[in-house]
Amino acid sequence: NAGVTQTPKFRVLKTGQSMTLLCAQDMNHEYMYWYRQDPGMGLRLIHYSVGEGTTAKGEVPDGYNVSRLKKQNFLLGLESAAPSQTSVYFCASTPFAGPNTEAFFGQGTRLTVV
Amino acid sequence: AQSVTQLDSHVSVSEGTPVLLRCNYSSSYSPSLFWYVQHPNKGLQLLLKYTSAATLVKGINGFEAEFKKSETSFHLTKPSAHMSDAAEYFCVVSDEGGGNKLTFGTGTQLKVEL
Repeated sequence: NAGVTQTPKFRVLKTGQSMTLLCAQDMNHEYMYWYRQDPGMGLRLIHYSVGEGTTAKGEVPDGYNVSRLKKQNFLLGLESAAPSQTSVYFCASTPFAGPNTEAFFGQGTRLTVV
Repeated sequence: AQSVTQLDSHVSVSEGTPVLLRCNYSSSYSPSLFWYVQHPNKGLQLLLKYTSAATLVKGINGFEAEFKKSETSFHLTKPSAHMSDAAEYFCVVSDEGGGNKLTFGTGTQLKVEL
């Protein structure tokens, strides 16, 4: 059972470079999310999607774009990376909206922007 | 708007002694509450969730949490700490009002000493 898979696991970027993080889930979940984790701040929501073809902004969306062309994939893009985007990024999915719905998380992507 | 406050950023206990990690929440809706654990360089794993069926919730690895509406609290406890419990713990509230978005606390780092 793969669950939620993130690629890559590690990446170092130079300031101004672009990259795309891929999140894939094989559980047929409707909802997908991208979070960033920074020390002492917990996880903060960047963007999310409530279904194929939809996206919405979260708490900290600036500098990121997302796409959900296929139900199983949720892509996070950085068009022009900045050192402030150095973080650990987590993707998550939930099957539907409802009380007590558990989120399933990927293993994370550690991104360093130099 | 919803929010979560984890009252301690670091907790240190001796192996075999009780663990108490404190969490207070604020939610406009009937809350869905979770505790997640993150071991070093790992993803997030669900410890337990509040289902509204019972105020005392039992989770994995001997952890439990009690939902107290009057105190807006959801503290995590374990009777006897084990070295393997050393990790970061996140209290999380789910927004049922739209998108099933999770709001994370800032985390509590649990250290277990011999």
